Order: sequence, then C-alpha cells, then structure tokens
Amino acid sequence: GAVVSQHPSWVICKSGTSVKIECRSLDFQATTMFWYRQFPKQSLMLMATSNEGSKATYEQGVEKDKFLINHASLTLSTLTVTSAHPEDSSFYICSASTSGRAPDTQYFGPGTRLTVL
Amino acid sequence: AQKITQTQPGMFVQEKEAVTLDCTYDTSDQSYGLFWYKQPSSGEMIFLIYQGSYDEQNATEGRYSLNFQKARKSANLVISASQLGDSAMYFCAMRASGGYNKLIFGAGTRLAVHP
Repeated sequence: GAVVSQHPSWVICKSGTSVKIECRSLDFQATTMFWYRQFPKQSLMLMATSNEGSKATYEQGVEKDKFLINHASLTLSTLTVTSAHPEDSSFYICSASTSGRAPDTQYFGPGTRLTVL
Repeated sequence: AQKITQTQPGMFVQEKEAVTLDCTYDTSDQSYGLFWYKQPSSGEMIFLIYQGSYDEQNATEGRYSLNFQKARKSANLVISASQLGDSAMYFCAMRASGGYNKLIFGAGTRLAVHP
C-alpha cells in the first residue's frame, strides 16, 4: 500500500514552454500533497503544500505564479512550471500523506527530472 | 527554528557489518516526529522508519533501528548486516510544526557498502 506515482518520469523542454507534472496517490486518499525540488547532490527543498480543494501554500522564495499547483481531487495534484528556463532544470518530487493514518507519513513519488534547454 | 543536522556527508561500510548514520535535531516542540528515508540513485524516496517523540522504545523495522536519545536530540539510524543494495543517500527528517505534516530534511549521508 501507499503508492504514489508521478508522470512523466523525465521531460526535456525548450525555454519558455510550460510543463505539467502529475502526482497521484494510487491506493489511498491524500488529504495533503507536497512538492519538493532537489538539485544534484543536495537535499530536498519543500516548494509548496497543497490540500484538496484549496489553494496551495508556498514556501518563502517560491514563485507561486511560476509554479502553479492544483490539487483537484484526493488522489491527484499537478505542478505546472510556467515559462520554464534552464535554471528550473531540477528533480521534482511529490509526496502524499493522509490524516488519521499514524504517523502521517509522507509517501513519495518516483520523481520527475526536468531539463530545460 | 527547527533544524536537522547530518554531519556525515559520506560513509563506508563492509558488507554484512553494521553502520550508524548520525542525525541531530533542534526543535522547541514537545511533540514531534522523526523519519529516515533512503534515496537510491534512481531518485525515489523510500520511507524506512519513524520515531515519535513520546515513543518510549526505539523504533525498529527489520534491519533498521533508530537510536533515539531525546535528551541529546539525536536520532541515529542503525543498519545491521549491511547489503550492497543499501548503498544510497539517507535523509533524516523531522515533522515541522505548524500543521500539514511538513517535513524538514537534513543534508543527507551517502552510504557506500563494499563487498
């Protein structure tokens, strides 16, 4: 149980285009989903927290207009990188947790590697 | 402010031996949770073990155990009988205060298991 999928697993795009990444909880309902960014050989940095049906909460320094997050259902959250630039190239990982399930562990997706040319 | 510190950027261990990965934390919360995740080269984050601040016993999950010393604010991960497949990055994390179960991650420790 507790499987989270991400799609696509990798994407290459041209500078200026937008890229959408999907995060799905496959066998549980995720009341909260998280989006992280990880640069090579670095730790995970939380970008935003999203709850189903409400606006995402962004961490300080994360541009909400550039990284659009939608959490339309209890099993799906999407991250759209708008007008992507080479500096947005990174590994993006989502995670999902469900309330009432001790210890409210976050289960992570396999990640999406974004390369912007 | 809450913080997780992993002071070992890299560790080496011989196959079948035990290894301890260090983690210290800083928080003013009375109730908190500590996690360890494994990240192989493929990138996925694999949940290993959890320790609640009020848990009286150290958590164990198979070959993984967490040496929780609350007074010293440390939560070291012990891997027994290391296997080649244990080679990966290991991250210690703490549930942040403020709701939503946000996690704060340490910088990670890269473990290499040698045959």
